[in-house]
Amino acid sequence: ETGVTQTPRHLVMGMTNKKSLKCEQHLGHNAMYWYKQSAKKPLELMFVYSLEERVENNSVPSRFSPECPNSSHLFLHLHTLQPEDSALYLCASSRIQYDEQFFGPGTRLTVL
Amino acid sequence: DAKTTQPPSMDCAEGRAANLPCNHSTISGNEYVYWYRQIHSQGPQYIIHGLKNNETNEMASLIITEDRKSSTLILPHATLRDTAVYYCIVSVGKLIFGQGTELSVKP
Repeated sequence: ETGVTQTPRHLVMGMTNKKSLKCEQHLGHNAMYWYKQSAKKPLELMFVYSLEERVENNSVPSRFSPECPNSSHLFLHLHTLQPEDSALYLCASSRIQYDEQFFGPGTRLTVL
Repeated sequence: DAKTTQPPSMDCAEGRAANLPCNHSTISGNEYVYWYRQIHSQGPQYIIHGLKNNETNEMASLIITEDRKSSTLILPHATLRDTAVYYCIVSVGKLIFGQGTELSVKP
């Protein structure tokens, strides 16, 4: 248990669906991150939020839309995804931006 | 791209020390060496990090060569639960993951 929770743990969606992934951290951290881990590929950093402001967007397609309403919660809104977007989506948090990161268990997403 | 080179896989006998090497010959003076691990189907877990000096915590020891071009993560008494992919990352903050080393601890 790292203090970072993610829901749902598994999600299957069609290409026309809209869904959201939720991340919550109970550590009092000020920075939160979304990563994508595709099969047989390294983790890729998608977004970074520091003090609820987005500070990094690593050329992620607009069909992925992050939201950070407060320092404890981070969402990833998904719409019109492609099958190649199927992956493990990991959330992480740190005390300050780019400090030691604590990861959640991930959401396993399958796009049909 | 990751700035480190790690062997793709290693085996270790349970109870023995696991020594995981990492080459980072292009490391900059202000970059730290971080180690994370990822047990199958879980999120990565922070292990340890260091700049110049060797570091030790309750999980592992980190040995960094004097020229800082390579390092070794040491798990002093490996258990079956240490089976995981171990990532060595050099960074001033942003984590760029490579393929890591898949460590298998065997009975």
